[in-house]
Amino acid sequence: GEDVEQSLFLSVREGDSSVINCTYTDSSSTYLYWYKQEPGAGLQLLTYIFSNMDMKQDQRLTVLLNKKDKHLSLRIADTQTGDSAIYFCAEWENYGGSQGNLIFGKGTKLSVKP
Amino acid sequence: DVKVTQSSRYLVKRTGEKVFLECVQDMDHENMFWYRQDPGLGLRLIYFSYDVKMKEKGDIPEGYSVSREKKERFSLILESASTNQTSMYLCASSFAGEHTQYFGPGTRLTVL
Repeated sequence: GEDVEQSLFLSVREGDSSVINCTYTDSSSTYLYWYKQEPGAGLQLLTYIFSNMDMKQDQRLTVLLNKKDKHLSLRIADTQTGDSAIYFCAEWENYGGSQGNLIFGKGTKLSVKP
Repeated sequence: DVKVTQSSRYLVKRTGEKVFLECVQDMDHENMFWYRQDPGLGLRLIYFSYDVKMKEKGDIPEGYSVSREKKERFSLILESASTNQTSMYLCASSFAGEHTQYFGPGTRLTVL
């Protein structure tokens, strides 16, 4: 089956940029996602990128997609303590027609030190 | 805003008990999903449903069953709870043909 890999931990200082990386296996993935999970909460959709794009920017968030290397990254500019959370990368696995499912990575725990 | 609610935030049950976890969404989504989340293992799909009375096994269905009698409600059932089912359970929903899933707050289940 498809697989999504990401490092488990990242620690940065407040005000620095954070870069969370992810690799995926399904070259036919049409959508790739970043979800955020704050402590004790469910997953919140942060952003997504369609496979025909290389980059997407949304305020402090920048998503970069390298389809050749099947590499996705999430950059958070001016990281704040409120950004401390687990970040999940996910790819869409198509079963056929409109059916399919999200394949999640194990999550990267971002710790922001003041 | 999409709202996905789960019946309990925290639940403690004993081994062998039958456990019901309820999930309700208010956005008329066709698709609903149950995941469990464990440290170091990420999210694993237990069951999902594309429509009322339909269900599909995910990656780890053993020990679980589901029920979808109404479009807005998707129930996860542990027929006989075991300690290895202690976990965080997350429900999600989405429109048919759309990939974006919306998650509930999760139920942390402890089986003693």
